[in-house]
Parts: sequence; C-alpha cells; structure tokens
Amino acid sequence: SQQGEEDPQALSIQEGENATMNCSYKTSINNLQWYRQNSGRGLVHLILIRSNEREKHSGRLRVTLDTSKKSSSLLITASRAADTASYFCATDAYAGGTSYGKLTFGQGTILTVHP
Amino acid sequence: ETGVTQTPRHLVMGMTNKKSLKCEQHLGHNAMYWYKQSAKKPLELMFVYSLEERVENNSVPSRFSPECPNSSHLFLHLHTLQPEDSALYLCASSPLQGAEVGGELFFGEGSRLTVL
Repeated sequence: SQQGEEDPQALSIQEGENATMNCSYKTSINNLQWYRQNSGRGLVHLILIRSNEREKHSGRLRVTLDTSKKSSSLLITASRAADTASYFCATDAYAGGTSYGKLTFGQGTILTVHP
Repeated sequence: ETGVTQTPRHLVMGMTNKKSLKCEQHLGHNAMYWYKQSAKKPLELMFVYSLEERVENNSVPSRFSPECPNSSHLFLHLHTLQPEDSALYLCASSPLQGAEVGGELFFGEGSRLTVL
C-alpha cells in the first residue's frame, strides 16, 4: 500500500451523521495533515497533527494519530451536505531539518453527505 | 480565497504547442510547489522552490520546465506534452518553518490541462 492511504475510498451518509475516515502510512513521520478538496478545486488544509500528539480538535473535526500503528483517523461530527468533498491525508516524512513541505498524499476518501 | 492564484484555470493544447501555467501567491511565503493530480492517482509532487531556488525535482520529464523569478511567482512551462500529461496542476505555497519542520500548504484552485 502507498504512504498515506485512506480508507474507505468512498463514504455515503445522511446529514447529521458522523463520518470517519482512516489513513495508514508506512514510514516515520513528523506530522500528518488532512486536506479537503471540492470537485475540481484546490485543496484546503483542515488540520495538522504532530507525531507527538495523539488527538486534536478543530470545530467539528477530530483527528487521532497512532504512531505505533502508523494510522490516523478523521472524524467529522454532525455532517452537513456542504461537507461533501474528497478528503486526503498527507504525511511529512522528514525526521529533522526543514522539510519544505514534501508531503506525500493518499488517494483520498470521497465523502457524500445527503441532505 | 487562499491567497494563491493560478492562471489559466483551463488550458487545452496540442502536443506540439508551448504554453505556460502561472501561479502567484500573496501570502508572503518563501516556498512554492507544483503538484500534479491525475484521475485515480495520488497527488504527485513535481517541483519545490525555496527562496527562489529549486530544491526538489521529483523525476519530472524535461517537457515540464519550472521557473521561479521571485518568491511570489512560479511558472510551469509546457512543451511537446503527451495526452497522458492531461491533469489538474496545482500550485501551493508555504512559509519556511526554520526549526519548525513541515507545515500547512496553501493551494491554488489549479489549472486543468487537456493535451490533445
């Protein structure tokens, strides 16, 4: 599998439900980031979690990181139709120094939230 | 709205054409990137510029030629492309973090390229 591989590939839920997306990676990381992309648009940064953090919150988003399992999850609570988008995890694999943002992206999870 | 502007948003070109993609950032960042997004493939990092110096060339064919005249502008010059080069080309910028490694990338809306 590739670095930063998301699961599931597609997720369809109703408004108000929670959405959980998972990401697995292979190498040691400095941080892991989640991005969102609306169809045909650019990516928007959602949240960054560092390798020494286990959980982070931002509004309706909750990210967890388990470095022993090399995995992360993104939880969107009380989803809205406007949350419909593709979600990508990206890993920054450098162990030290300036990484210049050489992020490795997964293929993404397509989330559809039905009104 | 992200402070990173890409032009053109759509480009159709023949295999013998020469065209350029432009990226401009108004965020005061000093690192800029080109990514390629093809259908059913993860984003691929193409080039990284830090303080106008190229620091990464991710085995990209020479038919793609980047240029970074200053820290606010980044170009991708295209010539003799192949149909498989059709993709969404995304520009991003970030501040250099110094001792703080990694960080958030700010992406433009992308340039959708179709090679006939």
